[in-house]
Formats: sequence, C-alpha cells, structure tokens
Amino acid sequence: EADIYQTPRYLVIGTGKKITLECSQTMGHDKMYWYQQDPGMELHLIHYSYGVNSTEKGDLSSESTVSRIRTEHFPLTLESARPSHTSQYLCASRGGTYGYTFGSGTRLTVV
Amino acid sequence: QKEVEQDPGPLSVPEGAIVSLNCTYSNSAFQYFMWYRQYSRKGPELLMYTYSSGNKEDGRFTAQVDKSSKYISLFIRDSQPSDSATYLCAILTGTASKLTFGTGTRLQVTL
Repeated sequence: EADIYQTPRYLVIGTGKKITLECSQTMGHDKMYWYQQDPGMELHLIHYSYGVNSTEKGDLSSESTVSRIRTEHFPLTLESARPSHTSQYLCASRGGTYGYTFGSGTRLTVV
Repeated sequence: QKEVEQDPGPLSVPEGAIVSLNCTYSNSAFQYFMWYRQYSRKGPELLMYTYSSGNKEDGRFTAQVDKSSKYISLFIRDSQPSDSATYLCAILTGTASKLTFGTGTRLQVTL
C-alpha cells in the first residue's frame, strides 16, 4: 500500500497551460524530492525540501517551481507547459532510514 | 565522469538463471548503498540497502559491496519472469540526504 500519493497519474495538456502536479505523503517525513525521468533514462533530481518552508533546486535545471507549506504536501507547478516538459515526474520522501519512498509518478505529455 | 556508473543493458536471461547486476562509483565518501527495482510505468521501490563491505542476503536477492574497488553488485537467484524490471543502484554519503542514482539496468527474464 502506497504511503506517498501522486496525482494525476497521467496528464495530457496543451502548450501554455499552467499545471500543478500533486504529491502527498502520510509518513510525516521531513525530506521530500521531485525527480524527472525520461523513458529508459536515469532519474534527475529537480527539487527537494528538508521541511516546511524549505525548498532547493536540484541537480537538473527545471522551469518548474515547488512549495512546502505543509509537511505532507509538496506540489510541483509549471506556469506555462511546453512540449519539452513531457516526461515522467516522480515524487519521493525520506524519513529516518536511508532509502527513499517513491510515488507511482505522473506521466506528463504536453502537446 | 559520472559519480555512479551502471550498464543500462538490456539484459535478457532465461527463467531460473542467476543474474548479476553491477555498479561502480567514484566517490569514496559514499557510505550507504541501495538497490531499487522499477517496473514499467511505476515508481522505484527499495529492494535492499547496506552500509558495509560484504554480502547481505534477502531471499533470492544478495547485495554485495566492495568498498576497496568501489564496486557494488546485486545477485538474483532462480530468476523469475516477475523479476523483469529496471534495477537502479543508489548511493548516499553520510552527510548528504540526496541519493545519487545509476542509470538503471533493464532486465528481462524469459520463459
């Protein structure tokens, strides 16, 4: 049973639209992450947060933004979607253990 | 040079075979080593983690770490078609909270 939830699972949207990808976790984890993954490719960290009101950019430059107003919620927003944003977006959280718990991902297609 | 190198495959083996998946890393500060399994269109799930050189066994899976060679391996015994997935190695330093992932090796177990 997943403890970290991402919605929507799939999204097809037109160029120029604003979108928000939702990520919520029920484990009370302080650390949360957003990764971008193209088909058959590695995961690239685009944003992370170490707690409420803490957000940092990751290793891969991204035009998206994130917010962390509540511990359990870490949404990602694209103000103006473009075809180059087409990808899979994975949210993860980490508590006191070493590993991350990942959501099932949002597969975004911008047409 | 990438901090973590992993052969992307694909690797195809018959059912029942022993599978060996490998990663090399360059940063000797890495201390924690993980293996994730990712099924198609799903998020990665943690399979195993270890923090010391040597072997760690869990059912049909064995994780092996050789810190002197900066080499980590995952062995799968009696492989099953349900093992068909992408396997990602991931490594963490003691002070950082960001995992460094390999590119993932795609495994196909055939009947």
